[in-house]
Amino acid sequence: EDQVTQSPEALRLQEGESSSLNCSYTVSGLRGLFWYRQDPGKGPEFLFTLYSAGEEKEKERLKATLTKKESFLHITAPKPEDSATYLCAVQALEAAGNKLTFGGGTRVLVKP
Amino acid sequence: EAGVVQSPRYKIIEKKQPVAFWCNPISGHNTLYWYLQNLGQGPELLIRYENEEAVDDSQLPKDRFSAERLKGVDSTLKIQPAELGDSAVYLCASSSGQGAPDTQYFGPGTRLTVL
Repeated sequence: EDQVTQSPEALRLQEGESSSLNCSYTVSGLRGLFWYRQDPGKGPEFLFTLYSAGEEKEKERLKATLTKKESFLHITAPKPEDSATYLCAVQALEAAGNKLTFGGGTRVLVKP
Repeated sequence: EAGVVQSPRYKIIEKKQPVAFWCNPISGHNTLYWYLQNLGQGPELLIRYENEEAVDDSQLPKDRFSAERLKGVDSTLKIQPAELGDSAVYLCASSSGQGAPDTQYFGPGTRLTVL
């Protein structure tokens, strides 16, 4: 069974204080790993897809990296508007119909 | 381009009452998903449609939940009767059905409170 574990559950940062979120996964074969951002009262917003170990993707202050067992979301010099819950999800090679398995998310609060 | 549209955004009902949620996917997206999200957790798949066909409903509690996508576009998810434990956010997502992996785009969700 595919499993995704995110840590920490919550993260409080000062504006400008860089940090990393972890997503550990267990899947028989990885088709893709997804990062989403979710603001309170809204649906998840797509950020990145990573396909293979060693791959990196960046968007503004966010950078996602992937190894064979985990992914990291690095937040560089965060601003208050980066406050959100960040969700990680995996899609297995044998997953029927592009099924996503989500982690529990990391709630990030960036204080000015 | 419009995103996934859901309504209502919020719903409060008494237990044992019926409730329905509506979803309009991104134009051209053939695959539609309904997810359940409990507070502090990630979304969990309830059902997936390929056009009009429900191709994965293994996680849908069929005794009280039903869904339809009659013309392969809009979809409705129904609960009858609702129970206290059904209080959650119900998310709809859609994808083009092309590419591997196939990116899913989510709507804003419907927050259901059962009293």
